[in-house]
Order: sequence, then C-alpha cells, then structure tokens
Amino acid sequence: QKEVEQDPGPLSVPEGAIVSLNCTYSNSAFQYFMWYRQYSRKGPELLMYTYSSGNKEDGRFTAQVDKSSKYISLFIRDSQPSDSATYLCAKTNTGNQFYFGTGTSLTVIP
Amino acid sequence: EAQVTQNPRYLITVTGKKLTVTCSQNMNHEYMSWYRQDPGLGLRQIYYSMNVEVTDKGDVPEGYKVSRKEKRNFPLILESPSPNQTSLYFCASRTPSGNTDTQYFGPGTRLTVL
Repeated sequence: QKEVEQDPGPLSVPEGAIVSLNCTYSNSAFQYFMWYRQYSRKGPELLMYTYSSGNKEDGRFTAQVDKSSKYISLFIRDSQPSDSATYLCAKTNTGNQFYFGTGTSLTVIP
Repeated sequence: EAQVTQNPRYLITVTGKKLTVTCSQNMNHEYMSWYRQDPGLGLRQIYYSMNVEVTDKGDVPEGYKVSRKEKRNFPLILESPSPNQTSLYFCASRTPSGNTDTQYFGPGTRLTVL
C-alpha cells in the first residue's frame, strides 16, 4: 500500500469555482502534512503545511487534516486561471523522509 | 537570489555510462535531498543529507549514490545507469529547524537512458 494516495484527475473547473483536492495516507504516525504546487516544467513549491489534525487557512487556500480517517484536503476558493497546476500532497514524520502523492492536475478555465 | 541549481537540465545517455547530476544551493541549508518524478508514481525520495558527510536512504535508493563533502553541494551519481532510471530528477534543500520549514526545489533534470 502506498504511503500517500492521490486522485490524479485531471480536474477542470470554471474560474471562480471552489476546488477540493484530496489525499489519503496509510500510516497514522506521520504528523506533518503539506501541499505543494507544481507548474509545468518547474519544481514543486510549498503551498501550505499542517501539523496533526485541524484546518489551516491562507488567503484563498485552506488545508485540512482528518487523522481519524487519514484524509488530507486542500480547498481553493475563488479559483483563478493562475491556479492551474499540479497539486501534490505530502507527509513527513521527522522532516527528513518525505512521501508524496502522485499529484492532481488542475485546470481553471477563464 | 535564493535558489537551488541543477546541472545538466537535460541529459541523454546510454546504459552503463557513469554520470553525475550536480546540485548546489546558496541558502546555507544543512538539509538536502534528491527525488525522482515519474508519471503515475509521483515524487519519490532517493537520498537525503542532514549535513556534511551525513547521508541516508530515502524510498528508492537502489542504483544511486550521493556524497556531501560541502554544505552547498549534493551531487547524485549513477554508476551504471539503466533505462528504468529514465526520469525527471529534483534536488531540494531546507533548513533543519522544524519539519515545517520550506523545502526549496531545483528546476529539475530530465534524464533519458537509452
């Protein structure tokens, strides 16, 4: 079983829509969860991180972790064409070993 | 400008011909790491280094070597490349003070092994 499972999409939404991206993970010992955004032909860049359970909000982005169901979510409000990218969820326990999902490709149509 | 650089950006080689992909960071980060990215498999960690002369295996270390002789450099060595090592490779670095610090990724190296 993979450490992190992510629906690859692709996901296509109209501008202004609310986007929900989801991952599941298999080992409840992991405590730090991250979302990375990767534009085409670029390296991933950290978007948000959360520790343990709960929500974290940053502008139009909300990251949510539900440890009881081992579910990680990223919500994007008022999506923009510039949000079109691949979104990767990730987890780490010690900050040394990282496990990434396969990524979800998102296109926001103007 | 704070950055992670990788060279070469693109490389086509043949099976068995030793190669090195260089990685350098100018942020004085202690932690560096190598990943490979493949369709359907995502980003997988190859090796990481917590400091000079301190390296450890990630999820998929087979067929790779690394060295960390200087803080800023973390080369990835393929002693005898094989076609299954055809992939997009990323180097990353971050400060060690907490798991939530930003991991900065390089621009990637696309390697094709024929």
